[in-house]
Amino acid sequence: QSVLTQPPSLSATPGQNVTISCSGSGSNIGDHYVSWYQQLPGTAPKLLIYDNHERPSGIPDRFSGSKSGTSATLDITGLRTGDEADYYCATFDSSLSVGVFGGGTKLTVL
Amino acid sequence: QVQLVQSGAEVKRPGSSVRVSCKTSRDAFTRHTFHWVRQAPGRGLEYMGGVVPGYGKTSYAQKFQDTVTITADDSATTAYLEVKWLTSDDTAMYYCARGTFSNYFDSWGQGTLVTVSS
Repeated sequence: QSVLTQPPSLSATPGQNVTISCSGSGSNIGDHYVSWYQQLPGTAPKLLIYDNHERPSGIPDRFSGSKSGTSATLDITGLRTGDEADYYCATFDSSLSVGVFGGGTKLTVL
Repeated sequence: QVQLVQSGAEVKRPGSSVRVSCKTSRDAFTRHTFHWVRQAPGRGLEYMGGVVPGYGKTSYAQKFQDTVTITADDSATTAYLEVKWLTSDDTAMYYCARGTFSNYFDSWGQGTLVTVSS
């Protein structure tokens, strides 16, 4: 059971927009920055969003993040078939004193 | 582009240990932390622990405190993960990731598959 809760799966069609949620508590999301990772099939995870809403260079602005209280969201606009992947949120947990991940969301682009 | 290069796949017997390495450049090593994340087949990412090179300070997820040791060799600019008393439940892909002091992982290794089988 993950400390951070994500929907296990989502599906959408090309061109649509999707929102992936990540719910935590005061000791993790409520008190620390959230990051998001994209894991394409058979590859290592890749940083998508850091510090709640910042994008590393090379990440298109179709991807955006936000945080409110003890929850965070990843928005993807104008879905493409290449966006089909697993998405994970992550942060630090003060009570556990370690990093924590969400359980992951499998995004299917039909 | 930061590169983290991990050691190759391992096949181990139950009860044995495995050590996985993660090498990067001097510039990429300095002023960062290094962490290990595992992913069992068909499962999500699981944080194991991390190390602060130069200080040797480590932290571990509670689940791994008794079986995992994470170290860093500053001269070799390499981080290591040792897992002891392997069981079939340790069969997984193990990733190293470079951490920042804002607690995100900005670069990842290619992964090392560890298979535990008798």
